[in-house]
Amino acid sequence: SQQGEEDPQALSIQEGENATMNCSYKTSINNLQWYRQNSGRGLVHLILIRSNEREKHSGRLRVTLDTSKKSSSLLITASRAADTASYFCATPGGGGNKLTFGTGTQLKVEL
Amino acid sequence: DAGVIQSPRHEVTEMGQEVTLRCKPISGHDYLFWYRQTMMRGLELLIYFNNNVPIDDSGMPEDRFSAKMPNASFSTLKIQPSEPRDSAVYFCASSFVSSGEKLFFGSGTQLSVL
Repeated sequence: SQQGEEDPQALSIQEGENATMNCSYKTSINNLQWYRQNSGRGLVHLILIRSNEREKHSGRLRVTLDTSKKSSSLLITASRAADTASYFCATPGGGGNKLTFGTGTQLKVEL
Repeated sequence: DAGVIQSPRHEVTEMGQEVTLRCKPISGHDYLFWYRQTMMRGLELLIYFNNNVPIDDSGMPEDRFSAKMPNASFSTLKIQPSEPRDSAVYFCASSFVSSGEKLFFGSGTQLSVL
C-alpha cells in the first residue's frame, strides 16, 4: 500500500513559473524524502527533510513539512524545461530503511 | 562510482519462461532494495536486504518470485514461471545506513511478458 499521495497528479506550467507539489501521508515519520524520475530512468534523490525541520532549501527546491497535518510540499522555483519529470515523495515505514513511495506528480514544463 | 547497475535493460519473454534480473549495488552500501513500478500500482517494494540477508519480503507477490544476494556486490530477482501480469519496470536500489536512508536507484529493467 502507498503511504504518500501526491497532489496534483499532473501539472503543466510555462518555463520560468514556479511549480508546487503536495504530499500527504498517513503515519508518523522521522523523515520525508522527494525523488525525481525522468522518463525511462530510475529515481534520483532530491532532498530529505527530518521530522524536526519545517523547511529546507536546496538550490531552486524548497520543501516544507507539517507533521501536524501529515503533509509536505515541494516547490520548484523558476522552472526549466529540464525539470519535466515525475516527482515522488517517500516516507520510511515498517522500520529500518524501508521506503514507501507516493503516487507521484507528473510535471511538464513548456517552453 | 558507477552507481547501481542493473541488467538487462530490457527483457522480452514469453509466458512460462524463467526471468532473472540482476543488480550490482554501489560498493559499500549495505542495504539493497527491489522495487516494481507499474502504472496501476505505482512503486512497490518487493524485498530488501541488509548485509546480504533478506529482511522483509512481504512485498513479493507470489512464490513465483524469489530474490537472492549471495554477496555484497550482487543480487538477483527471479520470476519462474513468468506471467503477463509481471510486466513492469523493476528497479534495484541501494543505500548506506549513514546516508540517512537516501536511496540510489539503478536505471531499471523493463520486463515484458508476452
